[in-house]
Amino acid sequence: AQSVTQLDSQVPVFEEAPVELRCNYSSSVSVYLFWYVQYPNQGLQLLLKYLSGSTLVKGINGFEDEFNKSQTSFHLRKPSVHISDTAEYFCAVSEGITGGGNKLTFGTGTQLKVEL
Amino acid sequence: DTGVSQDPRHKITKRGQNVTFRCDPISEHNRLYWYRQTLGQGPEFLTYFQNEAQLEKSRLLSDRFSAERPKGSFSTLEIQRTEQGDSAMYLCASSPGGQGSPLHFGNGTRLTVT
Repeated sequence: AQSVTQLDSQVPVFEEAPVELRCNYSSSVSVYLFWYVQYPNQGLQLLLKYLSGSTLVKGINGFEDEFNKSQTSFHLRKPSVHISDTAEYFCAVSEGITGGGNKLTFGTGTQLKVEL
Repeated sequence: DTGVSQDPRHKITKRGQNVTFRCDPISEHNRLYWYRQTLGQGPEFLTYFQNEAQLEKSRLLSDRFSAERPKGSFSTLEIQRTEQGDSAMYLCASSPGGQGSPLHFGNGTRLTVT
């Protein structure tokens, strides 16, 4: 079974500063990787996905991800954060299941708090 | 694309009562998933449908839980004899299928069992 570890439960950062949210996973096989964002009392919104190819993936809202297969990590980065980026961020690893489904295993989340 | 819709948004019930939640996926998506999220945790997989067929169930889905997708469109999740430990956010997601297809989530149903 897959396991996903988000190394920081909370990350405080000042507005316009860069941020990195760290995520490691356990798998020796090729996987698909995702980052989702969750605002209070809402569902999860897809930020970006890594399927294959380049190690640097661009997502929405200025976020990007760097995939490191040798270290089984994929960290989420943003060069300059905004107050509106305050939210919970989840990384997830996919596992193929019967019928072509895509079961995601999520980390426990990182609360990003952007301060003025 | 109107997104994944879940109803109700909130449900408060007394222990021992039955509850049912509904999920309407994105119309062209034939795969549908249910997840549960407790406070401070990431979502945990409960079950998965391809069209009307329920293809996988987590061991988290006890015999008090049942999910259906009768016509391959909307789905329902029923919890019988609710317990306080069932209090959580229940999330529904859909996808067009194929490994690597991202899941599109609804806003969830928050269940509180008193």
